[in-house]
Amino acid sequence: DADVTQTPRNRITKTGKRIMLECSQTKGHDRMYWYRQDPGLGLRLIYYSFDVKDINKGEISDGYSVSRQAQAKFSLSLESAIPNQTALYFCATSDRRTSGIHFGPGTRLTVT
Amino acid sequence: DQQVKQNSPSLSVQEGRISILNCDYTNSMFDYFLWYKKYPAEGPTFLISISSIKDKNEDGRFTVFLNKSAKHLSLHIVPSQPGDSAVYFCAAQTTSGTYKYIFGTGTRLKVLA
Repeated sequence: DADVTQTPRNRITKTGKRIMLECSQTKGHDRMYWYRQDPGLGLRLIYYSFDVKDINKGEISDGYSVSRQAQAKFSLSLESAIPNQTALYFCATSDRRTSGIHFGPGTRLTVT
Repeated sequence: DQQVKQNSPSLSVQEGRISILNCDYTNSMFDYFLWYKKYPAEGPTFLISISSIKDKNEDGRFTVFLNKSAKHLSLHIVPSQPGDSAVYFCAAQTTSGTYKYIFGTGTRLKVLA
């Protein structure tokens, strides 16, 4: 079983719709992240959370919100999707005791 | 403001030769650096890392070099294999403070058989 899972894996939605991307992990890590990947722009940090009560904005948080429902779950919401939010979205986890960040398989989101 | 930069978007190398991927950073507070490899339809996976107290770290065919004065790191793959064809991201972290991972823009490596 995958350590970091993301649902859905693919989603097509229309402009103005609300959409939620979900992430869960079985690694027992306390830190979770949301990144988006765009061609030529690499991986950019949207939000990160170092524990259930800690939420922080990343480089590009405008238009997004997050919820850390439990240590193992971190969801990303687009309240009103717009076409330039079309991208590949990755959830990731890390542990305070070890280095490195572990990525989920990604969600391909298309906003038409 | 891109704190971590990979100036070569793509690189092609013959099988068996050396691949050299480069990465530059601007923030002198970064003290831990990582390389990730990404295949299509998969999430990035960890490849190799280096602490700022070292200038070289080796793992099999992969070696990372760090030049702190130049704020530059490079990944060497020797010998290159077709299965190494992927997008490579470098990442940097400050191990005191926020512990965020900042990634570069990626370099697409193609190893030609």
